[in-house]
Amino acid sequence: AQSVTQLDSHVSVSEGTPVLLRCNYSSSYSPSLFWYVQHPNKGLQLLLKYTSAATLVKGINGFEAEFKKSETSFHLTKPSAHMSDAAEYFCVVSGGSNYKLTFGKGTLLTVNP
Amino acid sequence: NAGVMQNPRHLVRRRGQEARLRCSPMKGHSHVYWYRQLPEEGLKFMVYLQKENIIDESGMPKERFSAEFPKEGPSILRIQQVVRGDSAAYFCASSLDTNTEAFFGQGTRLTVV
Repeated sequence: AQSVTQLDSHVSVSEGTPVLLRCNYSSSYSPSLFWYVQHPNKGLQLLLKYTSAATLVKGINGFEAEFKKSETSFHLTKPSAHMSDAAEYFCVVSGGSNYKLTFGKGTLLTVNP
Repeated sequence: NAGVMQNPRHLVRRRGQEARLRCSPMKGHSHVYWYRQLPEEGLKFMVYLQKENIIDESGMPKERFSAEFPKEGPSILRIQQVVRGDSAAYFCASSLDTNTEAFFGQGTRLTVV
């Protein structure tokens, strides 16, 4: 069994300040972990993925995430927020069956000018 | 190369009617997945299909819901005799195989009145 907990349903930052979106997971398998982003009226887009290689994963648009097995965490960060980053972000885990993704409830990121 | 196309984007049905949701995978993709997102929830896996075959329908309600992916044409998620609780966003994803990235469509938002 696997599950994902996104610790914040809503995060608000100012443009140019750092972003931290928190995610904890549980999995019976060695997990693959993903972050997806959903802009209004758009499909889900893959930001980055961890598949047991380097624990620090770099994604698109300046985002990165660090896999910490001891803390069962996979937090998403970005040094400097941009207005275009405003969207909903989903932390996702897959286990033994790669096709079956388990989604967190999402974190809505608001970026203030 | 067009992405995953879902239609309609919005669908309103009265209780007891049928809802048909369509998904055209990306070109060359033969693996299709359907997910449902209830209000305030993360996406939940419903069904995984390959051409003409249902591989895993463990997340799909046993009654009133069916899915198909014919040899020609889009994948169809069909909900018979809809009820208010079926109101949700339904997302389709496709991939080349189970080990590669799944690309998501924009979703169909079903409202049952």
